[in-house]
Amino acid sequence: EAQVTQNPRYLITVTGKKLTVTCSQNMNHEYMSWYRQDPGLGLRQIYYSMNVEVTDKGDVPEGYKVSRKEKRNFPLILESPSPNQTSLYFCASSFRIQFTTSTDTQYFGPGTRLTVL
Amino acid sequence: TQLLEQSPQFLSIQEGENLTVYCNSSSVFSSLQWYRQEPGEGPVLLVTVVTGGEVKKLKRLTFQFGDARKDSSLHITAAQPGDTGLYLCAAGAGSYQLTFGKGTKLSVIP
Repeated sequence: EAQVTQNPRYLITVTGKKLTVTCSQNMNHEYMSWYRQDPGLGLRQIYYSMNVEVTDKGDVPEGYKVSRKEKRNFPLILESPSPNQTSLYFCASSFRIQFTTSTDTQYFGPGTRLTVL
Repeated sequence: TQLLEQSPQFLSIQEGENLTVYCNSSSVFSSLQWYRQEPGEGPVLLVTVVTGGEVKKLKRLTFQFGDARKDSSLHITAAQPGDTGLYLCAAGAGSYQLTFGKGTKLSVIP
């Protein structure tokens, strides 16, 4: 079954305690990205990756790091979390990002709800 | 980063009614996608449109891409309670970034 998995699904932590949210896809997709979803602000892209070892900033990258050492995994790292990073996070993957055909599909993970106290 | 304006922001209708949701921008899109998101889950892709003027149908859902590729609409005929959810549009302009609208929260009352 084609899927994007994220762990953990829920996390409560304290300010300054480093954490990693894992993301894995089983579709051999080249493109992966991370989004955060906040009430009234919608989905905003944090980072994206076009392939292994190729990453770039999205619209809201401050306070986050990513790595892409393997094609299937794209972890999101918060080195020193702060309360304003409390949010719902989604990982997504697709074969390519430039959706030039109507069959191009982007798959989202189930989300990670993060609370930073 | 281009801006995508979705309207209305909230919509509450009775089962069996029709509705239309809009997604507009001042920028030209290379492609546009519509997603539906249910509480506690990730967005699920409904359709991708890539050609100006394109109309696609998915059962009771009709998607239209504007001729100038700056806007799109989603029309639902005879809404059902199962259509309840957050509808999101997302667009790409040829770069590696997708921009999402803020969404339309639809409630269909039985």
